[in-house]
Amino acid sequence: AQTVTQSQPEMSVQEAETVTLSCTYDTSENNYYLFWYKQPPSRQMILVIRQEAYKQQNATENRFSVNFQKAAKSFSLKISDSQLGDTAMYFCAFMKPPDNNAGNMLTFGGGTRLMVKP
Amino acid sequence: NAGVTQTPKFRILKIGQSMTLQCTQDMNHNYMYWYRQDPGMGLKLIYYSVGAGITDKGEVPNGYNVSRSTTEDFPLRLELAAPSQTSVYFCASSYSNYEQYFGPGTRLTVT
Repeated sequence: AQTVTQSQPEMSVQEAETVTLSCTYDTSENNYYLFWYKQPPSRQMILVIRQEAYKQQNATENRFSVNFQKAAKSFSLKISDSQLGDTAMYFCAFMKPPDNNAGNMLTFGGGTRLMVKP
Repeated sequence: NAGVTQTPKFRILKIGQSMTLQCTQDMNHNYMYWYRQDPGMGLKLIYYSVGAGITDKGEVPNGYNVSRSTTEDFPLRLELAAPSQTSVYFCASSYSNYEQYFGPGTRLTVT
């Protein structure tokens, strides 16, 4: 079974600054996918960024980028130029490759609450 | 295109009551999922379905049942509500691009 650990329950950052959220995971799989989801106070789960384990290049989506260290089983999220709208819970999630019999289930970490201060 | 919709948004149940949480998606996704999120925690998988007529248990299935008679609908049934089932419930769906699309959630309180 896979486990996902987020060791930072809460973090804060000043507006326009950069913050990094940590995530580690444990798996015996070689191929898998990693995700960061954002959950604002509205509760909606929003996909921020996705990384395929077979890709060495770190994924980037505008102000969001990841540092994927496969050997260390680490998957951190960097938010640049933080904005007030980035205030939310952030969840790291793991997924094995899709299986026709098992779908593509996500295993979530416990989350990091990020507060962006003006 | 409404995506994934869930009803109701909020519900208070008394211990021992039953209810069905509704979930519908209009994206023709094969895969559907039910998660629960306890306060301050990540989501945990309750049940999932890989297509109409096919369902299977996830990590925390006890106290719940599901059915999948159509591609669009994936209701979650609580038969005898218990305080431990107080949580926020999310339905999600996906196809083959690995991204799961989530509904807005249902906040359930059992007292």
